[in-house]
Amino acid sequence: DTEVTQTPKHLVMGMTNKKSLKCEQHMGHRAMYWYKQKAKKPPELMFVYSYEKLSINESVPSRFSPECPNSSLLNLHLHALQPEDSALYLCASSQLPRRTYEQYFGPGTRLTVT
Amino acid sequence: AQTVTQSQPEMSVQEAETVTLSCTYDTSESNYYLFWYKQPPSRQMILVIRQEAYKQQNATENRFSVNFQKAAKSFSLKISDSQLGDTAMYFCAFMIDDKVIFGPGTSLSVIP
Repeated sequence: DTEVTQTPKHLVMGMTNKKSLKCEQHMGHRAMYWYKQKAKKPPELMFVYSYEKLSINESVPSRFSPECPNSSLLNLHLHALQPEDSALYLCASSQLPRRTYEQYFGPGTRLTVT
Repeated sequence: AQTVTQSQPEMSVQEAETVTLSCTYDTSESNYYLFWYKQPPSRQMILVIRQEAYKQQNATENRFSVNFQKAAKSFSLKISDSQLGDTAMYFCAFMIDDKVIFGPGTSLSVIP
């Protein structure tokens, strides 16, 4: 199984809503990542979890809250988002958080904030 | 600072022809890994090819090959016998520590 799954595929939320994005992998990978991607732009790193611990937070606003309940699951909790947060949110995983290992990406969640 | 540059925002190629996508990068590291990722329209990003900087031999994966020039910090991707399914955004990237640093991308269209 070389798949990273993400749910939901699409999400529309108002600025006062609270929602969560979910990411799952069963490849035994110990590093997981959240990226934000705008149209025709490269992914921008948001968070990195290494061995279920947050290792990198790229100065992301607190309205985005990551969580890694176990080694297979990664969540991104959303609260009080702004319209400019509308984007494709990608999850990725790699075998270990080291430069030798490529990342496997999920299909993404298309988020629209109204 | 580590940077990746892709100087061709958009390219097109006739089906069955060969196309080369360029990428340059800047790093002070001596040992690193370079990647080309492909993101088809509305589909997920996948790894195309990977190159270890300490290896002089250029990586090859079927129709995809790279021209890695370490001294020039250049890492171009050649796609041979282009197919319609090669239409996608292509991102050059390199990995340092826990992070992948992506270039801005090249949008490739394969024309029938």
